[in-house]
Amino acid sequence: KNQVEQSPQSLIILEGKNCTLQCNYTVSPFSNLRWYKQDTGRGPVSLTIMTFSENTKSNGRYTATLDADTKQSSLHITASQLSDSASYICVVTSTGGGNKLTFGTGTQLKVEL
Amino acid sequence: EAQVTQNPRYLITVTGKKLTVTCSQNMNHEYMSWYRQDPGLGLRQIYYSMNVEVTDKGDVPEGYKVSRKEKRNFPLILESPSPNQTSLYFCASSIKGPRAGGTQYFGPGTRLTVL
Repeated sequence: KNQVEQSPQSLIILEGKNCTLQCNYTVSPFSNLRWYKQDTGRGPVSLTIMTFSENTKSNGRYTATLDADTKQSSLHITASQLSDSASYICVVTSTGGGNKLTFGTGTQLKVEL
Repeated sequence: EAQVTQNPRYLITVTGKKLTVTCSQNMNHEYMSWYRQDPGLGLRQIYYSMNVEVTDKGDVPEGYKVSRKEKRNFPLILESPSPNQTSLYFCASSIKGPRAGGTQYFGPGTRLTVL
């Protein structure tokens, strides 16, 4: 069964600090992995997308990594800001079975002063 | 402004009363999809559509219907809503499907309560 697991479930950090969120998946065959940011009460917004051949991709202070061999991805946030407080969701697409997506349950990040 | 719109944003209804949640996008996207989001379960895909008149089931299609008669619209129909369909619903669209790397743009969400 295709699954995406994220850790930690929640995280509190101080403004200006860095943090790393983890995503492990069992989706096969793999097509791509995407990280979304979801503010409370709003729809998710895409941060990065990575395919099998990509190891690292950055979007401003967000850097995603992918290890397709171990089926792990991470999202690193540098110099966190209060506006980074949100849920971060890892989503994996398979090349098989149509255009179905497998979502992780997200990491709830809170950035405090 | 490029956007995905959903209506209504909030809805309280009773068991068995048919309802439709509309979704419209103005970006000429081919791919559209519906999701529900529940605490502890995350987002789950209900139905998706690769183009006009082409729809497919996601992971949790039971109790829902969709149609794609026009490219811009993708309504979600609950023929006989039940309390377990109380949830936050999102519509999304992208120029191409997820397998092709299409970036999905999500609507603002519809919070549905079924009593």
